[in-house]
Amino acid sequence: NAGVTQTPKFQVLKTGQSMTLQCAQDMNHEYMSWYRQDPGMGLRLIHYSVGAGITDQGEVPNGYNVSRSTTEDFPLRLLSAAPSQTSVYFCASRPGGSTDTQYFGPGTRLTVL
Amino acid sequence: AQSVSQHNHHVILSEAASLELGCNYSYGGTVNLFWYVQYPGQHLQLLLKYFSGDPLVKGIKGFEAEFIKSKFSFNLRKPSVQWSDTAEYFCAVTSLYNNNDMRFGAGTRLTVKP
Repeated sequence: NAGVTQTPKFQVLKTGQSMTLQCAQDMNHEYMSWYRQDPGMGLRLIHYSVGAGITDQGEVPNGYNVSRSTTEDFPLRLLSAAPSQTSVYFCASRPGGSTDTQYFGPGTRLTVL
Repeated sequence: AQSVSQHNHHVILSEAASLELGCNYSYGGTVNLFWYVQYPGQHLQLLLKYFSGDPLVKGIKGFEAEFIKSKFSFNLRKPSVQWSDTAEYFCAVTSLYNNNDMRFGAGTRLTVKP
């Protein structure tokens, strides 16, 4: 299994540009999530999904959209990038329940100029 | 919503020293507690977790953590650290109210000197 994969690894955007961060998992996990990691703030949950077609907001959802059309994929869209969205983004998945182990991807480092 | 505090931002130890990293959470109800580790250049990975039963939880690589409900704490310990334990450590919590919303602490960077 490849586990949780993310593309791209690095990205530089200009303010106002849009882009999609890709996340895929091959473990047939129901739950997937997106976090951002900022210095001194740990990881903060952006959006999550408990299954195909079901998404919900986390702690910091503003400026981000998600959809979950398949079990495997959970893309994160930035509609109009802002410098405040400069961060490292992690995707994660787990089989189902909250006590299950959550597996993280390698991260995407995004810089917005 | 629940929150997590990790008071040690950067800890520097020599090899063979004992380690204790603090983690406190703010939520009065039932919680699930986790410690994750991020080695340099690697993914976050789970060290250990607690959701019920024995409050002393043993994880991988010789780490353990103790859940003390009265203190809202879940401190991570290791009796003797190695240079390879150099990493960033994150405490995290989910609540029974919303077990899909995992909250992380700010992290503690551990540097172990050989």
